[in-house]
Amino acid sequence: GIQVEQSPPDLILQEGANSTLRCNFSDSVNNLQWFHQNPWGQLINLFYIPSGTKQNGRLSATTVATERYSLLYISSSQTTDSGVYFCAVDSGGGADGLTFGKGTHLIIQP
Amino acid sequence: ETGVTQTPRHLVMGMTNKKSLKCEQHLGHNAMYWYKQSAKKPLELMFVYSLEERVENNSVPSRFSPECPNSSHLFLHLHTLQPEDSALYLCASSQGPSGTGDYEQYFGPGTRLTVT
Repeated sequence: GIQVEQSPPDLILQEGANSTLRCNFSDSVNNLQWFHQNPWGQLINLFYIPSGTKQNGRLSATTVATERYSLLYISSSQTTDSGVYFCAVDSGGGADGLTFGKGTHLIIQP
Repeated sequence: ETGVTQTPRHLVMGMTNKKSLKCEQHLGHNAMYWYKQSAKKPLELMFVYSLEERVENNSVPSRFSPECPNSSHLFLHLHTLQPEDSALYLCASSQGPSGTGDYEQYFGPGTRLTVT
C-alpha cells in the first residue's frame, strides 16, 4: 500500500515563528488532506489539497503531485496552533479510506 | 446536529462485555469509515462502507463487527475485546464514487474506549 512520511516528527517554536511541515507519499493520490488533532482527539480539517496551493488565514498548503509531496505552512504561530498535524492520502478511486502519516507534534511556546 | 457525531464519547468495558459504538453523519454523504488510533500506532483504517455496502475490511479481528443500516448511520459492535483494543475510535464520512464533488473526509469527535 501507499506509504506516507511526515517530517519533522516534533517541532518546538516560539510564538510568532513560522513553520513548514512536510508530507511525502509513495504513489499518486486522488485525495490528500491535512488535519490538526486537538487535545481531545478531534481531527479538524485544514485542507483538502490533492494538488495545487490553498490558503486559509495564517495557514497555507501546497501539493506537488508529480513529485509526491505536500507542505503545510503556518505563519505567525500562536499557542493555539499546538497539537498534532496529520497528512493523509487516498490513492484509490475515491472513498477508499485514508492512509495517515505518523504526524508532526507541534508545540508553540509563549 | 451538524457534521459527524459519535456516541458514547467515552466507554469502559470488560473483556466479556458486548457494546456498540454509534456514528451519525448529517452531511448528505454516502460513504462512511471507521478508524482506530492507538497510543503507539498511526491512525489506521478499519472499515469502509460505500452506499451501505462494505467495500474494505483491513484485516480487522472478528471481535469488531460493523453495521451500516443506511447512509447516515454506522455502528461498530464490540465483543470479547482485549486490553490492547483500548484506543480512540474515529468515524468519518465523505462522498462516494457515485456522488458529486470531491472525497474530502470529515471526522467525528471519537469514542475513547478502555478495555479492562
